[in-house]
Amino acid sequence: KQEVTQIPAALSVPEGENLVLNCSFTDSAIYNLQWFRQDPGKGLTSLLLIQSSQREQTSGRLNASLDKSSGRSTLYIAASQPGDSATYLCAAANSGNTPLVFGKGTRLSVIA
Amino acid sequence: DGGITQSPKYLFRKEGQNVTLSCEQNLNHDAMYWYRQDPGQGLRLIYYSQIVNDFQKGDIAEGYSVSREKKESFPLTVTSAQKNPTAFYLCASRARGGLNQPQHFGDGTRLSIL
Repeated sequence: KQEVTQIPAALSVPEGENLVLNCSFTDSAIYNLQWFRQDPGKGLTSLLLIQSSQREQTSGRLNASLDKSSGRSTLYIAASQPGDSATYLCAAANSGNTPLVFGKGTRLSVIA
Repeated sequence: DGGITQSPKYLFRKEGQNVTLSCEQNLNHDAMYWYRQDPGQGLRLIYYSQIVNDFQKGDIAEGYSVSREKKESFPLTVTSAQKNPTAFYLCASRARGGLNQPQHFGDGTRLSIL
């Protein structure tokens, strides 16, 4: 059964710093991996989706990588801003028809 | 704009009462999901549906029921058998099958006990 872990649970950084959020998964036979952002009291917003055949995806200041052999994905945020403060969750899909398995998220605070 | 609408935003339940949370999507997605989110617990899957008139239990289905009579709609009923219903409930949808498309979420319903 797929399990997804995110460490650390919380992270605080000064504005302008580049940072990396970590996600690990136990079953390397994944279909895709998604990164989401959640603001307090809100739903999840999809940030990036990496297909199993891809190594990375980029959107603006965000870059997500995928290493299936080591069971790891990272989300790199460049030049962090206070508006980046949120909880970031990763989720793995083992097929196109099975539910996503979520990590518990990393709560990021960017301090001005 | 396409998206997922959850209503109401806040809901209060009395002891012994069943309540129904609404979820409607206009994304033409086949698959729909209900999650429960508690502080420090992450998202836990309650029920999901891959197609109209079919649904499967997730990890924490006890005390909940669903229906999928229309592609656009996937309501969740929290029954009186659910003894700890206070949580944030999230509905999601996704294209089924071989399409590598992201999962979309509604803005959630916060349920509390009176």
